[in-house]
Amino acid sequence: NAGVTQTPKFRVLKTGQSMTLLCAQDMNHEYMYWYRQDPGMGLRLIHYSVGEGTTAKGEVPDGYNVSRLKKQNFLLGLESAAPSQTSVYFCASSYIVADYMSSYEQYFGPGTRLTVT
Amino acid sequence: AQSVTQLDSQVPVFEEAPVELRCNYSSSVSVYLFWYVQYPNQGLQLLLKYLSGSTLVKGINGFEAEFNKSQTSFHLRKPSVHISDTAEYFCAVSGPASGTYKYIFGTGTRLKVLA
Repeated sequence: NAGVTQTPKFRVLKTGQSMTLLCAQDMNHEYMYWYRQDPGMGLRLIHYSVGEGTTAKGEVPDGYNVSRLKKQNFLLGLESAAPSQTSVYFCASSYIVADYMSSYEQYFGPGTRLTVT
Repeated sequence: AQSVTQLDSQVPVFEEAPVELRCNYSSSVSVYLFWYVQYPNQGLQLLLKYLSGSTLVKGINGFEAEFNKSQTSFHLRKPSVHISDTAEYFCAVSGPASGTYKYIFGTGTRLKVLA
């Protein structure tokens, strides 16, 4: 049971390039999340998904797109990278307890460190 | 709207000394509260959570936290820290105001345990 995995672990992009970050979980969780972590700002929610085929905007969605075509995968895309997107990106997942209420605990991946020059 | 404040960005403490990491929240409705730990170059791991019931919550690695509704606080404590507790600690809130499946994180407190 690998839990939540993220690919790649590190990436350097030039301004204007595009890339996709992959998050995979093998726990059959319904909910998945993408966060960015910046010094002194904690973790901020970019986008999230409450089930396969559904996505929603979080606190800082601009410049990112997401897709959840399969329950176990949640992709984060940067169409035209900017230096302001230099950050550490974390994926997380959580499961439903009852009546679509989250378990309240989120399980985090190891992170992807992205640098945009 | 909900928010979380971690007043201390860094807390140095000597090994075997007690430590308290402070967390205050604001919410007009009921909340669920969490503490996560992040070791260097790793993801976040749940330390403990308060959903309801007893206001003193015990977590992993000897940590505990007390929910104080009147002071809107959820401070994290450990009576005797080890070098291995050096990490960044995040307080988070969830609840009906933000959607029970979404967290609002504090900015983190970096705990450095000194030999």
